[in-house]
Amino acid sequence: TQLLEQSPQFLSIQEGENLTVYCNSSSVFSSLQWYRQEPGEGPVLLVTVVTGGEVKKLKRLTFQFGDARKDSSLHITAAQPGDTGLYLCAGTRIIQGAQKLVFGQGTRLTINP
Amino acid sequence: DTGVSQDPRHKITKRGQNVTFRCDPISEHNRLYWYRQTLGQGPEFLTYFQNEAQLEKSRLLSDRFSAERPKGSFSTLEIQRTEQGDSAMYLCASSLAGGVYGYTFGSGTRLTVV
Repeated sequence: TQLLEQSPQFLSIQEGENLTVYCNSSSVFSSLQWYRQEPGEGPVLLVTVVTGGEVKKLKRLTFQFGDARKDSSLHITAAQPGDTGLYLCAGTRIIQGAQKLVFGQGTRLTINP
Repeated sequence: DTGVSQDPRHKITKRGQNVTFRCDPISEHNRLYWYRQTLGQGPEFLTYFQNEAQLEKSRLLSDRFSAERPKGSFSTLEIQRTEQGDSAMYLCASSLAGGVYGYTFGSGTRLTVV
């Protein structure tokens, strides 16, 4: 079973449309991070949210951490082909006495021109 | 600082051979992590080091896998007697302390076992 569930797993939309990706869990996280990964490369950190209810904006991307720190969302406004990639959410929590970063399975986003 | 470097980027090996990957973390980061990622999945935790001490190993890391971080700088991940199921992207990351504010990943080593 996946500790972090991302939905949808695949999303293909036209340039200019808006979209939201969800990251859900039954567990509480110390922080939640969003990464973007290009084919053949490692994940690149986009943002970290720490406080329940926190909202962060990065140009056309808006990230929100749920009030209970169990879930998060990524909203993209006016998507562009350059937004295409694999979006990964990852949460930090204490597991067996050690701080761990656990990943969701990712959302593969394709923006068509 | 050039970020996290991994070498090689790609490795094709025959089943049963041994392979070794290297990771050079960001010099100021005291924590180093190894993850494995298969197609269509998110990265899965393998092991991590704080300085030179290996603090945890995942159940995914069988006896054929060994990781070292001598002197708390670069790290190596060795896989002995490779199997086709070992084919994956092996990612290295580093962070300050617990990494609550984010990890920096390398570009990964893509292993193909034929």
